[in-house]
Amino acid sequence: KNQVEQSPQSLIILEGKNCTLQCNYTVSPFSNLRWYKQDTGRGPVSLTIMTFSENTKSNGRYTATLDADTKQSSLHITASQLSDSASYICVVSARAGNNRKLIWGLGTSLAVNP
Amino acid sequence: GAGVSQSPSNKVTEKGKDVELRCDPISGHTALYWYRQSLGQGLEFLIYFQGNSAPDKSGLPSDRFSAERTGGSVSTLTIQRTQQEDSAVYLCASSLPGRDIQYFGAGTRLSVL
Repeated sequence: KNQVEQSPQSLIILEGKNCTLQCNYTVSPFSNLRWYKQDTGRGPVSLTIMTFSENTKSNGRYTATLDADTKQSSLHITASQLSDSASYICVVSARAGNNRKLIWGLGTSLAVNP
Repeated sequence: GAGVSQSPSNKVTEKGKDVELRCDPISGHTALYWYRQSLGQGLEFLIYFQGNSAPDKSGLPSDRFSAERTGGSVSTLTIQRTQQEDSAVYLCASSLPGRDIQYFGAGTRLSVL
């Protein structure tokens, strides 16, 4: 069964601190993995997209890693800011021929406090 | 507009009524998705349109739900005989052909009383 599990479910950190969010997946055949940021009351916005051959990808203070062998990904946020408070969602794409399915994680809710 | 536009932003309706939700994708985006997000829950895929291909309706929860995409652009999600469990935020996203990054609208918050 295709599944995406994220941890922790929620996280509270102080402004300026770093944090790492985890995503474990059992999706086959794997096509790519995305991290989205969803602010409260808004639609998700793409942060990174990684294919099988990519291990690390950065977008400003956000760095995503992918280990295709262990089927794990992480999103590391450096020097957190109040505006980083949001839900971070891991999405894995399974593609077989012309068929594609997106499997969405439930997200990690991050609160950055002053 | 530059982004995905959804209307209305909020909809309050009575149980049993029909509702129509509208999505205007980004110009040139041939792929269009509808999702549902209940309070505190992850996104639930509903339906996917890609160009002129038959839509993937595998996520529609019941036959009360239907969606159309006219002219390959604007899409309408219709919920007939609404139930209280239909209350959620309905999100629309679009993407370029062959690209996996989706651009989301702000959603329509549906409340069924």
